[in-house]
Amino acid sequence: EDQVTQSPEALRLQEGESSSLNCSYTVSGLRGLFWYRQDPGKGPEFLFTLYSAGEEKEKERLKATLTKKESFLHITAPKPEDSATYLCAVPIYGGSQGNLIFGKGTKLSVKP
Amino acid sequence: DAGITQSPRHKVTETGTPVTLRCHQTENHRYMYWYRQDPGHGLRLIHYSYGVKDTDKGEVSDGYSVSRSKTEDFLLTLESATSSQTSVYFCAISATGPWEDTQYFGPGTRLTVL
Repeated sequence: EDQVTQSPEALRLQEGESSSLNCSYTVSGLRGLFWYRQDPGKGPEFLFTLYSAGEEKEKERLKATLTKKESFLHITAPKPEDSATYLCAVPIYGGSQGNLIFGKGTKLSVKP
Repeated sequence: DAGITQSPRHKVTETGTPVTLRCHQTENHRYMYWYRQDPGHGLRLIHYSYGVKDTDKGEVSDGYSVSRSKTEDFLLTLESATSSQTSVYFCAISATGPWEDTQYFGPGTRLTVL
């Protein structure tokens, strides 16, 4: 069964304490992986798309990397404004149908 | 920000009543999607559209119907709302795809069915 699993479910960091979030998937023939940020009461905000193993993308304090089985979202020297839920998503295909499967997210809290 | 609006933003209704949620985009994107987000489940696809009057079912389509008569509008209808449809509903759009192109999300509609 195609699955997307994010870990940890929740992560508490002190301001400046770097860490990584994980997104593992069991989709065969990966054709893209998306990272989103979601603030409470708002819609997901697009961060990155990764298409092939070894690819990396950066935006401010965030860097996303991709391997054949998982993706990491590295957060360097986080600030309180980085607090949010981070979602990853992977497209899957079955017969004539397709879908974008989302993980359940990692809720990040950064304390000053 | 992608030009996506959803209306209403909040709605409380009673079991058995019909409900229609609207998604409006100003990006002229071909693809539009409706998702629901529930604790413990993440985002799940309800229906999507790949053009005017062209729609298809998603993962959790039972109890929902959609219509798209104009490029910019995608309507989600709950014919007879049930308490299990209490959720936050998000509309998304993409230019191409549908699954490999970036989807951009609207602000959401919080629906409560009593």
